Amino acid sequence: EIVLTQSPATLSLSPGERATLSCRASQSVGSHLAWYQQRPGQAPRLLIYDASNRATGIPARFSGSGSGTDFSLTISSLEPEDIAVYYCQQRTDWPVTFGQGTRLEIK
Amino acid sequence: EVHLVESGGGLVKPGGSLRLSCAASGFIFNGYNMNWVRQAPGKGLEWVAHISGSSATTHYAESVKGRFIISRDNGKNSLFLQMNSLSDGDTAIYYCARVRADGGRGPLDYWGQGALVTVSS
Repeated sequence: EIVLTQSPATLSLSPGERATLSCRASQSVGSHLAWYQQRPGQAPRLLIYDASNRATGIPARFSGSGSGTDFSLTISSLEPEDIAVYYCQQRTDWPVTFGQGTRLEIK
Repeated sequence: EVHLVESGGGLVKPGGSLRLSCAASGFIFNGYNMNWVRQAPGKGLEWVAHISGSSATTHYAESVKGRFIISRDNGKNSLFLQMNSLSDGDTAIYYCARVRADGGRGPLDYWGQGALVTVSS
């Protein structure tokens, strides 16, 4: 099973600041990595797929990068509505696996 | 507009069974693979099961293999999860999710609002 490790566990930043979230895979997943946002009380929402492609309707302030085992999600300028838990997910092999999540707090 | 609506959640005793349904609309259902993903209270996301558009292929997490069965009725645009031999560890919100068109195993581009399953005596 491919294990995804996200860091940091919690990130606390102010509006307008830049956020960088990391996801490391226990073995190469190529570019088959996605990022999801889960706001409090809501279902997850796809942000980024195949490492760097924004999903439909996702603001340009969200971007993804990386390949192989190391990936990043960057939010260029934080908005209050970005308060959420962010998960990475790999689809290279069964079972599909998720990281444990990074909680983003806005100061 | 794509909509996924789960139903069938509730309280069940350990060892019991429950069947979840997911009604899909706004897209050509039989053209998409579908998944179930769950989230225990206060915990992260856990993939549960996958089914191809034609039902030819299914895959399961080890934690549910042999107990859960994923199925679909393309004529009724519906996805199902039959859950048997339930235990406390199965308590979670269960989401149905659509696999993006060219995704094979994922990513999951649309999610339902979730159905809460509580296993307790």
